[in-house]
Amino acid sequence: EADIYQTPRYLVIGTGKKITLECSQTMGHDKMYWYQQDPGMELHLIHYSYGVNSTEKGDLSSESTVSRIRTEHFPLTLESARPSHTSQYLCASVGGYNSPLHFGNGTRLTVT
Amino acid sequence: QKEVEQDPGPLSVPEGAIVSLNCTYSNSAFQYFMWYRQYSRKGPELLMYTYSSGNKEDGRFTAQVDKSSKYISLFIRDSQPSDSATYLCAMRGNNAGNMLTFGGGTRLMVKP
Repeated sequence: EADIYQTPRYLVIGTGKKITLECSQTMGHDKMYWYQQDPGMELHLIHYSYGVNSTEKGDLSSESTVSRIRTEHFPLTLESARPSHTSQYLCASVGGYNSPLHFGNGTRLTVT
Repeated sequence: QKEVEQDPGPLSVPEGAIVSLNCTYSNSAFQYFMWYRQYSRKGPELLMYTYSSGNKEDGRFTAQVDKSSKYISLFIRDSQPSDSATYLCAMRGNNAGNMLTFGGGTRLMVKP
């Protein structure tokens, strides 16, 4: 079973701050994803990566950026946080082509 | 119109009831269908994973896919208070890698 760790679990910050949400997985999965989830709403893909040095934007426009320097690590950065960024951010990874996604427990971000 | 529609609930049932959760979709290319369970303040965890039409049973859970009607269901028998969670359907096509399209989730409450 995949182990995916997200830190911090909860974050409250002021507008204009730069933040990085951490995501690490221990299963050696090549594919990793970031989703945004608002209460009662479906998950929206904001970034994904198919391996080291590979990153792509997802369906939902996002002002965040990601990097993939190591297989196990896929951090998401907001250069200047705004209240509209308040949401839950979920990281996921997958091993094989037909394998399902495994999710971390998310980071709940509040920007005041 | 959303590609995947799911009644947000909440759905409240007494302990021991049979629960039926449903999703409809519009994209006939979807071939893989999943149900995720998400407890409060946790990430989604995979519950059922099916390919194409038919039924799949796992303990108290049964997933059903009717591709002709573009309709999928998750049945929970002998529901327990521990089943109280949000249930998300997700699906993808054959060539979509692991890119999933999610429903908005149905919140289920099982009362003792």
